[in-house]
Parts: sequence; C-alpha cells; structure tokens
Amino acid sequence: EIVMTQSPATLSVSPGERATLSCRASQSVSSNLAWYQQKPGQAPRLLIYGTSTRATGIPARFSGSGSGTEFTLTISSLQSEDFAVYYCQQYNNWPPLTFGGGTKVEIK
Amino acid sequence: EVQLVESGGGLIQPGGSLRLSCAASGFTVSSNYMSWVRQAPGKGLEWVSLIYSGGTTYYADSVKGRFTISRDNSKNTLYLQMNGLRAEDTAVYYCARRDTSSWSFDYWGQGTLVTVSS
Repeated sequence: EIVMTQSPATLSVSPGERATLSCRASQSVSSNLAWYQQKPGQAPRLLIYGTSTRATGIPARFSGSGSGTEFTLTISSLQSEDFAVYYCQQYNNWPPLTFGGGTKVEIK
Repeated sequence: EVQLVESGGGLIQPGGSLRLSCAASGFTVSSNYMSWVRQAPGKGLEWVSLIYSGGTTYYADSVKGRFTISRDNSKNTLYLQMNGLRAEDTAVYYCARRDTSSWSFDYWGQGTLVTVSS
C-alpha cells in the first residue's frame, strides 16, 4: 500500500498570501496524483488531477507540481473561500486508492 | 447536472447490517466507475470500494468480506451492503464518480453518516 504523507498538518496564512502544501508518497506514483478541497460539512471537491491539471471550474490561483514521490499544491493568493482542508490522493498503484492525512489551511 | 444523493445511514449496533444507497442523476451509473469513500469523525478520507462499468469490484482490506458494492441499472443507483459492522466503521460515507481522465473523483454526494455503537 502506498502511504501518502501531507505537511504541514496546519498552515496559517493571511488572505492574499501564497500557500504551499506538500504531499509525499512512500513510493513513486509517477504523475498520478490528485488534490481535493474540503470545507466543513461538505463533500470533497476535486481541484487537480494528473499532478497539475485543474479540474473544471477551478480558478487559476490553484496549481500543482511534482512527480514521483514529492508533490506540491500552491494557492497563489489566498481568498477567504480557500480556507479549508486539502487532501492529496494517489491512483498510480491500487487497490487501495490512498489519501493523505490532509492539510488544514487556516486564517492567520 | 450531475448529482449524487446518498441515503441509508443511521445508528446500528456492532455486528449489524446496513445498506447504503446512492441515487445518481445527470449521468449513467453503469457506464461509469463508481466508488465509496468514507471519513471517520474528525479524520481524513479512506477509500472503501469501487465498481467498474463492467462490474468488477475492488475493496479496501479493512472491509473485504464484509462489504459489497453493487448497482441497480434500472434505478441508476449505487449500493453498499455493509455486514458485520464494527465501531471503526463509524464514518460519513460518500459515493463518488471516477473522473474519466484519471482515477480521481470528480463528483461526490453529500454523504450519509453511519454510527456503529451499542
């Protein structure tokens, strides 16, 4: 099973600032990685798949990068609606499909 | 518009059974790969099961032999039959549709809460 580790667990950022979230895989997942956003009481929302392709309707301030075992989600200028928990998910080697533990982006 | 609506959750005693439903609209369940993902209270996401359009099924080790994923094409509905429930199965259960470009999930339901407790 591929273990996904996200860091930091919590990220405190001021509105308008850049946020950089990390996701590490226990073995290579190539570029088969997705990112989700989840707000309290809501279902996850797909942001990015294939490491860097934004899903339909996702603003350009969200970008993804990386390959192999190290991945990054960058939010270029945080808006109020971006404060949420973010999860990475690998789909290179499954079952099982595996998610990271999440990074909570909170207002500084 | 694509919509997924789960139902069937509730409070159940350990060892009991429950069947979750996920009614889909705006697309055809049988033509897509569909999955169940769960989230224990205050925890992260855990993949549970997936069914191919051809009917092949996959399960997480934690539920294998106890849970069964299925669908009713006439009702355009996905199911998760859960037997032998344990306290650690307590979670919000989401159904989700696989994105056609990857093995990520592009549409999710709102979730249904399953609480296993005596």
